[in-house]
Amino acid sequence: GNSVTQMEGPVTLSEEAFLTINCTYTATGYPSLFWYVQYPGEGLQLLLKATKADDKGSNKGFEATYRKETTSFHLEKGSVQVSDSAVYFCALSRPYGQNFVFGPGTRLSVLP
Amino acid sequence: NAGVTQTPKFQVLKTGQSMTLQCAQDMNHEYMSWYRQDPGMGLRLIHYSVGAGITDQGEVPNGYNVSRSTTEDFPLRLLSAAPSQTSVYFCASSYSGQALTYEQYFGPGTRLTVT
Repeated sequence: GNSVTQMEGPVTLSEEAFLTINCTYTATGYPSLFWYVQYPGEGLQLLLKATKADDKGSNKGFEATYRKETTSFHLEKGSVQVSDSAVYFCALSRPYGQNFVFGPGTRLSVLP
Repeated sequence: NAGVTQTPKFQVLKTGQSMTLQCAQDMNHEYMSWYRQDPGMGLRLIHYSVGAGITDQGEVPNGYNVSRSTTEDFPLRLLSAAPSQTSVYFCASSYSGQALTYEQYFGPGTRLTVT
């Protein structure tokens, strides 16, 4: 079946540090891949997405590249801010599939 | 556009009570779903609907019922609440913006405690 694995954290960084949150997936065919972010007390918001191999999704300084050969979609940011403190979820959906599979989430805390 | 709205925001129930969590969206999305979020387990799909009058079970459907009489509304019913249903519940809706990609839009969540 389809599944998503991501580092669970928590991850604690100082402001302006480099961020990587690893995500790997198992799926048949060619899924679409997503990163969602959940700020404290809120619902999930789409951060970025990629729909085919070698696509790079980017938003708000975050990037992730769809790597089919390693079945990965790692999230990166060059310089984190305190306002990036949140829980980050990696997710996939199959082509024409509306059901999403989410990873367990990674909590990020950025200290000033 | 209000997006996806959920009520109530918080709820405390006693074991055995029933209640309905409300979800509505004003984006004319055909697909709606309910998830529960538990620590360390991410989001798990409870039920989903691909359109009015059509619902199906997700990963963890036991103890929950849904119906979809309109495109806008997708209520989740707890038939007889149990402490294991203590969780945060999220409703989501989605559309196919491009041919193969469905983007889910989430409501703010309902925090439910069953004592």
